[in-house]
Amino acid sequence: GAVVSQHPSRVICKSGTSVKIECRSLDFQATTMFWYRQFPKQSLMLMATSNEGSKATYEQGVEKDKFLINHASLTLSTLTVTSAHPEDSSFYICSARVPSGGNEQFFGPGTRLTVL
Amino acid sequence: QQQVKQSPQSLIVQKGGISIINCAYENTAFDYFPWYQQFPGKGPALLIAIRPDVSEKKEGRFTISFNKSAKQFSLHIMDSQPGDSATYFCAASIVNTGNQFYFGTGTSLTVIP
Repeated sequence: GAVVSQHPSRVICKSGTSVKIECRSLDFQATTMFWYRQFPKQSLMLMATSNEGSKATYEQGVEKDKFLINHASLTLSTLTVTSAHPEDSSFYICSARVPSGGNEQFFGPGTRLTVL
Repeated sequence: QQQVKQSPQSLIVQKGGISIINCAYENTAFDYFPWYQQFPGKGPALLIAIRPDVSEKKEGRFTISFNKSAKQFSLHIMDSQPGDSATYFCAASIVNTGNQFYFGTGTSLTVIP
């Protein structure tokens, strides 16, 4: 199947700093990528849909100025958590839709963010 | 509002047994139903998926049963193995509408030797 990578896999930062997470589709071009947030033992919550070359579409309740998404190329989307606070600590996962692969989404391995 | 309801929350099965996880949905426009397997600290991995034009799909030890009239679908894991111990999520989406997935709440499966 298609491969999606994320970097970093883990990050620890101080409160008030910004953190950038990268999501890459390694062997295919993804016009659409998705960013999810997952708390321990809970389901995935869609944060935003990232479309190459256009602004991301954010889900209700997700602050677009806090969670900046950039989808500058067909293989890379980034999520920047600005002015991070302890309540932003979570597992962030991206996924990418294979354009010619029907409806499948392939997920990255996730990024564990801990804000001190 | 939870678009896809999943049960049970947790499941313990003996090695060699059958694991069954159920999901139900309300939106009849959903036309793609995947199941994902997630190990701790990892991203979800696509296990198997079904479209509503078939009632069953089997891939190895994994089978999806789909009941369109009841708006329910289930995952059956035959001959369950300790390596199957993971969290399983069902999902539903509408093809050609941006492909947003609506996930179930997850089922933690433990297969005991």
